[in-house]
Amino acid sequence: AQTVTQSQPEMSVQEAETVTLSCTYDTSENNYYLFWYKQPPSRQMILVIRQEAYKQQNATENRFSVNFQKAAKSFSLKISDSQLGDTAMYFCAFMKNFGNEKLTFGTGTRLTIIP
Amino acid sequence: GAVVSQHPSRVICKSGTSVKIECRSLDFQATTMFWYRQFPKQSLMLMATSNEGSKATYEQGVEKDKFLINHASLTLSTLTVTSAHPEDSSFYICSATLRGGSNYGYTFGSGTRLTVV
Repeated sequence: AQTVTQSQPEMSVQEAETVTLSCTYDTSENNYYLFWYKQPPSRQMILVIRQEAYKQQNATENRFSVNFQKAAKSFSLKISDSQLGDTAMYFCAFMKNFGNEKLTFGTGTRLTIIP
Repeated sequence: GAVVSQHPSRVICKSGTSVKIECRSLDFQATTMFWYRQFPKQSLMLMATSNEGSKATYEQGVEKDKFLINHASLTLSTLTVTSAHPEDSSFYICSATLRGGSNYGYTFGSGTRLTVV
């Protein structure tokens, strides 16, 4: 079974600074998908970024980028120029493949951006 | 973009009654939907996988007779909490998978906060 670990329950950073959220996972699969989801106080789950395991290039979406280290089974999220609206719970998630599409979530990191 | 509409957003019911939560995919067909439960300040826990036209697959420890899931069409899945008790109070979220090209992943409903009194 797959497991996803987020070792930082809470983090805080000053507005405009850069913050990195950690995520490690355990799987015996070679092809899979990784996601970061944001859950603001509204509790709506919002996709932040995704990465296919077969791609070596790290995914980027504007201020959000990942550091995907397949051998180390690490998938960290970097938020640059952090904004107050980034305050939320962030969940790392693993999906084995299409056809077995269950998402396995980490325990989450509560990120607070300080004005 | 693909949207999953979930209703109601908030419901309060009396202990012993049943509550139905609906999730509709608005602009795509969802052959598979997933139902999650989230306790305060915790992660999402998968309850069951709902497949259109067939019985749902429940995760270990989830009572299938208490949490009835129906996926009668490609755009609608429902979760009915039967004979609800205060311990069933929680936040319930549905989601559906998207396939096709670069647009893949999950899209989530906005969630339902259930309070059983």
